[in-house]
Amino acid sequence: AQSVTQPDIHITVSEGASLELRCNYSYGATPYLFWYVQSPGQGLQLLLKYFSGDTLVQGIKGFEAEFKRSQSSFNLRKPSVHWSDAAEYFCAVDKAAGNKLTFGGGTRVLVKP
Amino acid sequence: GAVVSQHPSRVICKSGTSVKIECRSLDFQATTMFWYRQFPKQSLMLMATSNEGSKATYEQGVEKDKFLINHASLTLSTLTVTSAHPEDSSFYICSARADTTSGGAADEQFFGPGTRLTVL
Repeated sequence: AQSVTQPDIHITVSEGASLELRCNYSYGATPYLFWYVQSPGQGLQLLLKYFSGDTLVQGIKGFEAEFKRSQSSFNLRKPSVHWSDAAEYFCAVDKAAGNKLTFGGGTRVLVKP
Repeated sequence: GAVVSQHPSRVICKSGTSVKIECRSLDFQATTMFWYRQFPKQSLMLMATSNEGSKATYEQGVEKDKFLINHASLTLSTLTVTSAHPEDSSFYICSARADTTSGGAADEQFFGPGTRLTVL
């Protein structure tokens, strides 16, 4: 069975500082990889996805993620966070066609002024 | 952009009663919708895949008689929690995959804002 691990439950970062959220997956082949953001009262929003090609993926809101096959990782980064980036972030994988997403435990990001 | 709504956003009910949650795709058709459950400070767990005009596919460990899913139209799926108990209290989230997409794994799911169910 595939699993997704987000090692950091909480991360606090100062506004303007860089942010990196870790995601590791366990699955024999390369799955389809996603990052979602969940803000209070709103549905999950897709930040970016990877399924093939360039391993550095650009997303919305200034986020990017890098797929590293050797490390089974798909870490999310943002060079300079804004207060509005405070939210819960979820990494998800889908091993095959069907959109059956398996989510990681989530990382809550707090942004200090 | 594609919008998915859920109704109600919050519901409190007594133990033993049934609660229906609606999931609607507002500006697109969705043959396939998904229902997730999220416990406090935990991740989303897929409960079932809802297919318009056919029976839902439930994930292992999810009681199909407990969580009834009806996908009667291309824009509406409902989840009914029957004979609810306090342990059913949770945050229920639906998502929809637009029919214009190819149906592969890389297609985006659009998520609703969720419904918080509290069973007293």
